[in-house]
Amino acid sequence: NFMLTQPHSVSESPGKTVTISCTGSSGSIASNYVQWYQQRPGSAPIIVIYEDNQRPSGAPDRFSGSIDSSSNSASLTISGLKTEDEADYYCQSYDSSNVVFGGGTKLTVL
Amino acid sequence: EVQLVESGGGLVQPGGSLRLSCAASGFTFSSHWMHWVRQAPGKGLLWVSRIKSDGSTTRYADSVKGRFTISRDNTKNTLFLQMDSLRAEDTAVYFCARGPLLWFDLWGRGTLVTVSS
Repeated sequence: NFMLTQPHSVSESPGKTVTISCTGSSGSIASNYVQWYQQRPGSAPIIVIYEDNQRPSGAPDRFSGSIDSSSNSASLTISGLKTEDEADYYCQSYDSSNVVFGGGTKLTVL
Repeated sequence: EVQLVESGGGLVQPGGSLRLSCAASGFTFSSHWMHWVRQAPGKGLLWVSRIKSDGSTTRYADSVKGRFTISRDNTKNTLFLQMDSLRAEDTAVYFCARGPLLWFDLWGRGTLVTVSS
């Protein structure tokens, strides 16, 4: 079964840039779109990146997504970190029409 | 306002049933795929089921296949999840989410289902 692996946690200081990775277990992660969701404690997820690198309306331009085929991974980069960015972040893709989520990464902004 | 509001969660005994609802507003409900996604306490997200805009096509995660049934009423802008033969491992917050087919651009706040004796 296709799986997506994320680091359990990352931390960075306000104003800095952080990158969260999402590695595919098999095949090419570039074959299917990757999405990223932000989930603050006690809240529903919201989408921050869709189709690898597209930002939905309302998502800050500090958020960007990319694909690295050489490492079979996707990345979410957040620049100019703010304390409000502290949340869990989930990558999501699919395989044979089965939706797959990564395990989530807890971002601490300190 | 564009929103999804879930209801129907609660405490149920193992082997019992529960029906979740999701009321949609602020957009053309009948034009969208709809999904259920769940999150066990302290855990990550797990896709549960999806249904096509006209209700003609459904799909389920292996863990709920044969026990859960997704449906929708486009006249009432409402999505449903009938959950039967519930198990302790079904305990989770259940979110309804608006598609496209294979991702989610709008989520509800969720409803908690607890399966315990």
